[in-house]
Amino acid sequence: NAGVTQTPKFQVLKTGQSMTLQCAQDMNHNSMYWYRQDPGMGLRLIYYSASEGTTDKGEVPNGYNVSRLNKREFSLRLESAAPSQTSVYFCASSEEGGRVGYTFGSGTRLTVV
Amino acid sequence: GEDVEQSLFLSVREGDSSVINCTYTDSSSTYLYWYKQEPGAGLQLLTYIFSNMDMKQDQRLTVLLNKKDKHLSLRIADTQTGDSAIYFCAETGSSNTGKLIFGQGTTLQVKP
Repeated sequence: NAGVTQTPKFQVLKTGQSMTLQCAQDMNHNSMYWYRQDPGMGLRLIYYSASEGTTDKGEVPNGYNVSRLNKREFSLRLESAAPSQTSVYFCASSEEGGRVGYTFGSGTRLTVV
Repeated sequence: GEDVEQSLFLSVREGDSSVINCTYTDSSSTYLYWYKQEPGAGLQLLTYIFSNMDMKQDQRLTVLLNKKDKHLSLRIADTQTGDSAIYFCAETGSSNTGKLIFGQGTTLQVKP
């Protein structure tokens, strides 16, 4: 009953460092998403993958890249971290079209100093 | 454009009813959702309503949808301290890719 698994749970980076946030789902969902959550701003979509082999930009893609490695895994990469990327990052997955809503991971809390 | 607005904070006494409100802009949204986020956790789907419905009830939860005013509400009856959390409204918008547009979240504080 794992659902959506995100690693790591916490991370501190120095400005300019790079890292990859990992996400995997075991529900055979086609669609996967990366959101960031900041106080008072709700969740903002960074990138999404409607199906294996496709990725598209969301509302706030600058400074990020993604890879849909296979149907299960969708990773988010910060090439050169900036303090503005300090946030909580959530991965989610859904059946095609997202009609019955998303299943979320527990989040990665990232601090860039 | 697509936008979802919520008030940021609501405080109620245990046993009272809570009503969390949400307004959205995209009238083509097919589904509207309520998610709950407990401290340190991800978002959990509470309930959703199809756009051709006016109301949906699920135990202590009642969702009301007014399409004319683009207004969605979540009523929690007999609110308990365990209901303290952040509640997010979300809509599907005009896209058929499954993207959801979330509101800012309403923090519900339940006082004993």
